[in-house]
Amino acid sequence: NAGVMQNPRHLVRRRGQEARLRCSPMKGHSHVYWYRQLPEEGLKFMVYLQKENIIDESGMPKERFSAEFPKEGPSILRIQQVVRGDSAAYFCASSLAAYNEQFFGPGTRLTVL
Amino acid sequence: QKEVEQNSGPLSVPEGAIASLNCTYSDRGSQSFFWYRQYSGKSPELIMFIYSNGDKEDGRFTAQLNKASQYVSLLIRDSQPSDSATYLCAVYTGGGNKLTFGTGTQLKVEL
Repeated sequence: NAGVMQNPRHLVRRRGQEARLRCSPMKGHSHVYWYRQLPEEGLKFMVYLQKENIIDESGMPKERFSAEFPKEGPSILRIQQVVRGDSAAYFCASSLAAYNEQFFGPGTRLTVL
Repeated sequence: QKEVEQNSGPLSVPEGAIASLNCTYSDRGSQSFFWYRQYSGKSPELIMFIYSNGDKEDGRFTAQLNKASQYVSLLIRDSQPSDSATYLCAVYTGGGNKLTFGTGTQLKVEL
């Protein structure tokens, strides 16, 4: 599968737990983006990363959220001490270069009980 | 003013008709424009991208860009029921790092 991969596809957490979402970009892509989509709302940019670097995190909440894209392995979006308002679909996208078209993964649906 | 604006719809067209979807954007410096299709419960799928003023055609889809008017549109010819989805307009803003999406237009193609 040469597309963007995300796992898990569905994640259930209780309030206060941690959520870790993983994203493997398309083969050859080194630019990764994370988006959040709340029910009945649009896609909201969260963060843009290249290998080992955060390029733009202007869409990330100031607390509890962090992202990384290590030299080896997938990109990780980490949400600490989850609250019910974090329930959403989280999408990862990748591109070959900056300003290029982005291709989306299938998303992770996070439900916080 | 929102950075990227679309009519939420729903836009209903009969099968075989042309569907016209519109989008305006506020950042005059934007250079790259994209249309995505999203089925309910699924992820966005890239349909078209356009960088230059004018028309760009790909099969039944035509993207139109007018940078002077800050307007981009998507035409779908010979609309099919399978085209029923939400169409998202996206524009690189803020110096190019961030792809900003409109809230989407829901298209319904009726038999």
